[in-house]
Amino acid sequence: RKEVEQDPGPFNVPEGATVAFNCTYSNSASQSFFWYRQDCRKEPKLLMSVYSSGNEDGRFTAQLNRASQYISLLIRDSKLSDSATYLCVVRDSGYALNFGKGTSLLVTP
Amino acid sequence: NAGVTQTPKFQVLKTGQSMTLQCAQDMNHEYMSWYRQDPGMGLRLIHYSVGAGITDQGEVPNGYNVSRSTTEDFPLRLLSAAPSQTSVYFCASSYSGNDEQFFGPGTRLTVL
Repeated sequence: RKEVEQDPGPFNVPEGATVAFNCTYSNSASQSFFWYRQDCRKEPKLLMSVYSSGNEDGRFTAQLNRASQYISLLIRDSKLSDSATYLCVVRDSGYALNFGKGTSLLVTP
Repeated sequence: NAGVTQTPKFQVLKTGQSMTLQCAQDMNHEYMSWYRQDPGMGLRLIHYSVGAGITDQGEVPNGYNVSRSTTEDFPLRLLSAAPSQTSVYFCASSYSGNDEQFFGPGTRLTVL
């Protein structure tokens, strides 16, 4: 099985902080990359896709480095509502998604 | 749209019992899949389907059967439940193989 590795955390940060999550993947032929968010005892939901040129969605910025097989997610101005587990997800060829184990974030007042 | 729905939400089985986890979607998605999520592990693909009448195995298919007789439904059958199948099961669907996968709310299964 191709591996997707994440730092499990937990990351405890105060409101307003900037926090970064990293992820590495083992299959150099991987084609698509995503960050999903999973709240406690809920289903995963797509946060954002990750493109080679990097992409931003409001306070969230995702970067992909294909040469290093490395994906990152930056969250600026953290909110209490950002507390969740963030899943790094990679699609190789075909349909199946490979999920990392997730990084837990707790934003505190 | 209801999106992806799963029933039941919770289930307790005894070892050796069989049951079917139901999954339905009303988004006319061709692709559907079943994952299991265990503590300390990422989601793992059990089976998936790229359209009605077509199914294939994922990473951890043993002990599970699926069928896809309609576009909307993709049930997962546990043939003879084992404690190792205690897990949270998520069904997901997408319009195509490259699109976002939408997940159902999950079924929490305990096998005693």
